Amino acid sequence: QSVLTQPPSVSAAPGQKVTISCSGSSSNIGKKYVSWYQQVPGTAPKLLIYDNDKRPSGIPDRFSGSKSGTSATLGITGLQTGDEADYFCGVWDNSLSIYVFGTGTKVTVL
Amino acid sequence: EVQLVESGGGLVQPGGSLRLSCAASGFTFSNYWMSWVRQAPGKGLEWLANIKTDGSAKNYVDSVKGRFTISRDNAKNSVYLQMNSLRVEDTAVYFCAKPGDSSGLHCWGQGTLVTVSS
Repeated sequence: QSVLTQPPSVSAAPGQKVTISCSGSSSNIGKKYVSWYQQVPGTAPKLLIYDNDKRPSGIPDRFSGSKSGTSATLGITGLQTGDEADYFCGVWDNSLSIYVFGTGTKVTVL
Repeated sequence: EVQLVESGGGLVQPGGSLRLSCAASGFTFSNYWMSWVRQAPGKGLEWLANIKTDGSAKNYVDSVKGRFTISRDNAKNSVYLQMNSLRVEDTAVYFCAKPGDSSGLHCWGQGTLVTVSS
């Protein structure tokens, strides 16, 4: 059972915006940097956001991250069919001394 | 180019053992902690373990503590996962992953499938 909670699914039409929430606690999101990963089924996860709001090179600025208190949010603007994938938040948990992932959110482009 | 290549997966009976390997290239391997992550069929990601640059510190998730052992050989640019007392619920794709200089797992291997079944 994950310590980070995400909505199971979100959807929107092409060109629209979606946001994905990640709810944690004071021992993880409240104290440490949050990352976000994109995973197309059958492939390895890919890092989208690190340090709460930074994008690795090659990740378009349509993807953004933010954090407030014990929650984090991933935003995707200008939604494209290629964005259909599963998205996971991740963060180190100071109390458990392990890295934890969110429950995952499936993004569907209508 | 950073590259991680896992190997060693396969079919094993419950109670059996398997050793996974991850060969790294394209970066100074000895400078980075390394992690193993798995994904059961149709499920989310589960971080399993990590190991410090020189192997002197390791962390494990409770579900594998006492059964799995992470190790590394910096001379061979490789990280390993020894898996003992395997259970049906250990069936998953296993990934090795490299962090960046700050937070997050920046680079992932392609994964290797472990199937535990009689």
